[in-house]
Amino acid sequence: GAVVSQHPSWVICKSGTSVKIECRSLDFQATTMFWYRQFPKQSLMLMATSNEGSKATYEQGVEKDKFLINHASLTLSTLTVTSAHPEDSSFYICSARETRASGRWDTQYFGPGTRLTVL
Amino acid sequence: AQSVSQHNHHVILSEAASLELGCNYSYGGTVNLFWYVQYPGQHLQLLLKYFSGDPLVKGIKGFEAEFIKSKFSFNLRKPSVQWSDTAEYFCAVNAHYKLSFGAGTTVTVRA
Repeated sequence: GAVVSQHPSWVICKSGTSVKIECRSLDFQATTMFWYRQFPKQSLMLMATSNEGSKATYEQGVEKDKFLINHASLTLSTLTVTSAHPEDSSFYICSARETRASGRWDTQYFGPGTRLTVL
Repeated sequence: AQSVSQHNHHVILSEAASLELGCNYSYGGTVNLFWYVQYPGQHLQLLLKYFSGDPLVKGIKGFEAEFIKSKFSFNLRKPSVQWSDTAEYFCAVNAHYKLSFGAGTTVTVRA
């Protein structure tokens, strides 16, 4: 149980284009999903917290107009990197946390990540 | 804001050796503590977690961790490692419903 998927697993795009990454909780409902960014040989940095049906909360220094997050259902959150530039190239990882009613809401389950390369 | 520090950047050891990875956090309030593992080419997986109760927590694959509140530490241990334990290990602290990760420790187990 507690499986999280991401699509695509990797994407290459041209500078100036937008890229959408999907995060799905496959066998549980996730009130909250999180988006992280991981640079090579470094740790995960939280970008934003996404709550179903409401606006995402962004961490300091993360441009909300550049990284658009939508969490329209209890099993799907999307991250759209708008007007991507080479410096946005990174590994983007999502995680999902179950609903409070499940009794397991304090643990995050991670997706496999999406490798974004902007040329 | 909370922070997490992992003392070892890269650990190399032989099979059957014992492993201990250090993790310290800075946060004065109630925290939940986690160790995650990332095998080569795979996603983060939960090894074990501590919320309350017995400070010695047992996880999957023979790993355990001890929470020492006075030292703000949550060190990970395994008595005898296997080649398959080669991976990146991350300590994480959950405070205010957000996870903060340590920088990670690369563990290489030589056969």
